Amino acid sequence: IAGITQAPTSQILAAGRRMTLRCTQDMRHNAMYWYRQDLGLGLRLIHYSNTAGTTGKGEVPDGYSVSRANTDDFPLTLASAVPSQTSVYFCASSDVFRDKYNEQFFGPGTRLTVL
Amino acid sequence: GENVEQHPSTLSVQEGDSAVIKCTYSDSASNYFPWYKQELGKRPQLIIDIRSNVGEKKDQRIAVTLNKTAKHFSLHITETQPEDSAVYFCAAHVGKAAGNKLTFGGGTRVLVKP
Repeated sequence: IAGITQAPTSQILAAGRRMTLRCTQDMRHNAMYWYRQDLGLGLRLIHYSNTAGTTGKGEVPDGYSVSRANTDDFPLTLASAVPSQTSVYFCASSDVFRDKYNEQFFGPGTRLTVL
Repeated sequence: GENVEQHPSTLSVQEGDSAVIKCTYSDSASNYFPWYKQELGKRPQLIIDIRSNVGEKKDQRIAVTLNKTAKHFSLHITETQPEDSAVYFCAAHVGKAAGNKLTFGGGTRVLVKP
């Protein structure tokens, strides 16, 4: 693994189903993030984690949950998918040391369609 | 929380001309301002960033300026080329007390016409 990866690349999901999007980074970054990007719109933060064992809510957290059991992995779960969750999901990571903020690296994205 | 406004939402320029994208932010505690470029179907990638203790930064054909008093920052692309066509996002970062998060602007779709 080099950098940050996401799986699956794309997924079509029936409404009401549970789905987990996977994100793994090998850069030993302490902070990780999940964004959604709807067609023609910007990036909206769903959840974030500044260090393993901690998570926080972003701008649009409803319907999503995350966990950060270790440094490398940050899965995003949709407990019961709805069509409005159709979007492209980007995972990102960065190395945040005290208040010195550094580049946020993005994964390749997961295109999710909920029917 | 932080709010970032970005203008214009679309920008069409002739190849060789300059492009300017402007962003404003609301939280005076923001201390880091990156710009990302996103090509169609690809992930966002950092092209330039500036920290709050610097007023201007250049990297070849791109430059960013920051006015902390007015709480706005701008991206300047000179001698535009067709490969500059993409969506550009500005962002502002607030520190640990606010969660160490980036807030993104809505994006500017830039089209460089040959």
